[in-house]
Amino acid sequence: GDSVTQMEGPVTLSEEAFLTINCTYTATGYPSLFWYVQYPGEGLQLLLKATKADDKGSNKGFEATYRKETTSFHLEKGSVQVSDSAVYFCALSLPGTGNTPLVFGKGTRLSVIA
Amino acid sequence: EAQVTQNPRYLITVTGKKLTVTCSQNMNHEYMSWYRQDPGLGLRQIYYSMNVEVTDKGDVPEGYKVSRKEKRNFPLILESPSPNQTSLYFCASSRGVSTNEKLFFGSGTQLSVL
Repeated sequence: GDSVTQMEGPVTLSEEAFLTINCTYTATGYPSLFWYVQYPGEGLQLLLKATKADDKGSNKGFEATYRKETTSFHLEKGSVQVSDSAVYFCALSLPGTGNTPLVFGKGTRLSVIA
Repeated sequence: EAQVTQNPRYLITVTGKKLTVTCSQNMNHEYMSWYRQDPGLGLRQIYYSMNVEVTDKGDVPEGYKVSRKEKRNFPLILESPSPNQTSLYFCASSRGVSTNEKLFFGSGTQLSVL
């Protein structure tokens, strides 16, 4: 079935370090891909998305490129801040299903220390 | 302010005592959904609704009920809660059922069933 695999956390980085959170997917069709972020005590919110191969989603200094050949959508940021500490979820959504079900990865907790 | 509002934020109950978690959105969204979040399992969809009076099961519907009598409200009902329903619950909504639609999440309800 359709699935999303994210790197296990937690990930702990120092402020200004480079961040990569790996995400790969398995899907029968051509999914849209998303990164959602969950800050402590809050619900998830959309961080960025890409809807077709080679698209790059970007927001708040985060980027991810839809790589069809490697079925990946890795999240990157050049210089993390303490305020980026959160849980990050990679997700996919398939066309034509009639439900907007995001298939989520298990989440990766990021802690950034000053 | 556009938002999805869930209540209560925290709930402790005992096995078998019926409870309802309310969810309301003020964005006139057609699509609403309930998820549960468990450590190591990510988010799993419980039920969803594509419009008023239209509901359907997600991946883990057992032990839950929902209703969609009005467009803005989508309550989650646990008729006879059990300890394995202890979890963090999220309600979400989106404008439609397109795969590119952004999901808006509530802040979550932490439920403990003793």
